[in-house]
This record gives sequence, C-alpha cells and structure tokens, in this order.
Amino acid sequence: DGGITQSPKYLFRKEGQNVTLSCEQNLNHDAMYWYRQDPGQGLRLIYYSQIVNDFQKGDIAEGYSVSREKKESFPLTVTSAQKNPTAFYLCASNPPGLNTGAFFGQGTRLTVV
Amino acid sequence: DQQVKQNSPSLSVQEGRISILNCDYTNSMFDYFLWYKKYPAEGPTFLISISSIKDKNEDGRFTVFLNKSAKHLSLHIVPSQPGDSAVYFCAASTFNDMRFGAGTRLTVKP
Repeated sequence: DGGITQSPKYLFRKEGQNVTLSCEQNLNHDAMYWYRQDPGQGLRLIYYSQIVNDFQKGDIAEGYSVSREKKESFPLTVTSAQKNPTAFYLCASNPPGLNTGAFFGQGTRLTVV
Repeated sequence: DQQVKQNSPSLSVQEGRISILNCDYTNSMFDYFLWYKKYPAEGPTFLISISSIKDKNEDGRFTVFLNKSAKHLSLHIVPSQPGDSAVYFCAASTFNDMRFGAGTRLTVKP
C-alpha cells in the first residue's frame, strides 16, 4: 500500500546529542514537509522540500537540518542546537495540486532525557 | 508570525447539532484551504478542501465556507456525531508552502 512512514515512533535523546528522524514515502510525491506539534500551538513548519536536492526553511528551522537525496526520503536531524526539542514531529507529502490534501505519517514523539 | 489562526482552542456541542469551526488567515497569497482531523498520537487526516476561487464546498456532513474579503473560513459539521470528536486543523497553502492553525478540539456529547 502507498503511504508515508515515519520511524521511530518514540525517540529519546540525551541533551547534547543529535538525532535523526526518518520519513519515507512511496507515493511518488515531489513535495515533502516536516512539522512540529506542541500543545496549543498546532503544526509549525520546520523545513519543506519541493524537489530532490532542494529544500527550504520553514518558520522554526533553527536547530534542525534536513536532506533530500532521494525523492522517497526526507530525514530530519534534530541537532544539539535545538534548545527545546521535546515535541511530536510529523512528516507530510503532497501530490501535485493541493485539492486532495497532504498525506501525513504517524509521527515521532521525541523526548529529551 | 502565525499566518493561520484558529482562535477557539475548544468547542463542545451536543450530538445532532451543528459544529462550526472557524479559521482566519493573513496571507492573501494562499490559494487553497484545507481542514484536517487529528486523533491523539496520530498524523492528521485530510477532511475537506476549498479553492480560493470558490466560496463553498460540501462533502456529506462537512461543508467549508470561504470568505476571501474577510480572510476567513469555517467548517460546518451537520449533524455532529460523537465520532467527530477530535482536533481539527485548518491549513492554508500556496503552490510550495502549507501552514496550519493551532487546532480546535471538538467534543461532541451524546
């Protein structure tokens, strides 16, 4: 079945560590997005990519990095520079033309311990 | 700078009545608007959308209204059912960007 897969579902990070969240899609979508959800703040855009080897910063890119070496994959690295990384992270992909809505992964909950 | 705002964090309605969820946006470049439904610890799922060239789109119990001059859209659910209880996110998009509101938690009481 086509879909978008995030892994792991739960991730624990020690302070000062970098961690990478995986996002893979087999929907052949060009556009992919990373969002962060905090209570009461909805979904905030971290990074997005419209095409392989190209990506743009969203509203809260500081402390994060991404790569888009393959169409299917858009991993997000949470670096030690991100001061408050504990959150729920959602990856999404979009088909051309937005009237069908984005497809979301099941999310990764990152906790700093 | 929050470009999409949902000013009501929660809404409670009785089963069978109408639920109206509201959303405001600031960027006139948005040309597509979407509503998503989200359950805890899951990704949002697409519910309904509307193009900026329309003012209404209906799909079963769900209707989205768009008022471009007011930069306002709303989602109407009629009749509301207990299974509709979830967080609803409004989203606005251009061809290369998609922004979300903070969400409204809808509770439908039996």
